[in-house]
Amino acid sequence: ETGVTQTPRHLVMGMTNKKSLKCEQHLGHNAMYWYKQSAKKPLELMFVYSLEERVENNSVPSRFSPECPNSSHLFLHLHTLQPEDSALYLCASSQDIWISSGYTFGSGTRLTVV
Amino acid sequence: AQKVTQAQTEISVVEKEDVTLDCVYETRDTTYYLFWYKQPPSGELVFLIRRNSFDEQNEISGRYSWNFQKSTSSFNFTITASQVVDSAVYFCALSEHGNNRLAFGKGNQVVVIP
Repeated sequence: ETGVTQTPRHLVMGMTNKKSLKCEQHLGHNAMYWYKQSAKKPLELMFVYSLEERVENNSVPSRFSPECPNSSHLFLHLHTLQPEDSALYLCASSQDIWISSGYTFGSGTRLTVV
Repeated sequence: AQKVTQAQTEISVVEKEDVTLDCVYETRDTTYYLFWYKQPPSGELVFLIRRNSFDEQNEISGRYSWNFQKSTSSFNFTITASQVVDSAVYFCALSEHGNNRLAFGKGNQVVVIP
């Protein structure tokens, strides 16, 4: 266990479905991140939250909607996704967004859009 | 802008051979931090090392060693006497001072053949 827990581990959804990915960290960190990992591509930073406020949104389509109700929880709400959105979605946390301490990652949610 | 290049995509070695993974980075900052992460088949990225730009000493941790060469902007990683459990994707990453945004390379898929 890394201290960052993601659920579910696997998700298959249709293009008209609505689903949510959940991330929880027990490390007392103040920053949380969503990354997308597609085959043969570098890790793509999607969203950054610092103290529950979104501080970065890297041109992510609106069909991805993040939510950070408190510093321990991060959600990614999904709706009307496309097959190209199939990927591994990784959540990470860090002490804060300024100190280069690196991240602690969760195990990811493997998403398949059919 | 920060950039990390990992040129080798997939590397296969026979068990007990050594394997070296190359990482070349670009940054305009004089203070920066370099990281290596391991991603086993289970999905989570596991932190291996963090090195700041002022510390050019090479580091050894068990069968892992890192060679930091500022003159060539490289931070290479060697696994000595590889084992099947070393089979994973290895990512090099960079963050600049005062900014905990990690820029990742594309990763090296290491396959250790028994």
